[in-house]
Amino acid sequence: ETGVTQSPTHLIKTRGQQVTLRCSSQSGHNTVSWYQQALGQGPQFIFQYYREEENGRGNFPPRFSGLQFPNYSSELNVNALELDDSALYLCASSPSTTRGGKNEQFFGPGTRLTVL
Amino acid sequence: KQEVTQIPAALSVPEGENLVLNCSFTDSAIYNLQWFRQDPGKGLTSLLLIQSSQREQTSGRLNASLDKSSGRSTLYIAASQPGDSATYLCAVTGANSKLTFGKGITLSVRP
Repeated sequence: ETGVTQSPTHLIKTRGQQVTLRCSSQSGHNTVSWYQQALGQGPQFIFQYYREEENGRGNFPPRFSGLQFPNYSSELNVNALELDDSALYLCASSPSTTRGGKNEQFFGPGTRLTVL
Repeated sequence: KQEVTQIPAALSVPEGENLVLNCSFTDSAIYNLQWFRQDPGKGLTSLLLIQSSQREQTSGRLNASLDKSSGRSTLYIAASQPGDSATYLCAVTGANSKLTFGKGITLSVRP
């Protein structure tokens, strides 16, 4: 059974650019959540996708957007990058038989984004 | 708004010691609580999940308890080893499906 994978591992961008991060969920999981973890902090919830629809969003501006595909993989897009967007971006998947995604979440290794 | 607190931020113990990591949360309306381990620069590894109806869960040398009414959880690590050195995070799942995390406790186990 393949776990949650994320790509790329590391990324360096400059302020104002756009970035796309990718996540493949664990086999059998239909719910994907994205989190941002700044250095020395706990992860902060960005949003969750359940069966290709957004199912909850944290306190992040609209320039953070996402997609979930029919195979349940997901993308996180960030436009107009700011220096404070530098962080570890974590993707988590979970199985869910109902909308809500309250089951155990399994995390990928993360993408380290540096904005210069 | 749910807030999760983990104190202290860092802990250093000699190998072999039994230890307890504490976690508190402000809103008792949770669906579950998870304990995670994070190695430097890496993702999160789920250690234990406790559903809101449960009182504790055990896995090997780890035991986690949950007191939902008082908003507290503890992670007990028996016979600590240098390989246990990592940051331990607790997180609760609320009605909006999101995990709310504490800042973590960085544990160092000295040989």
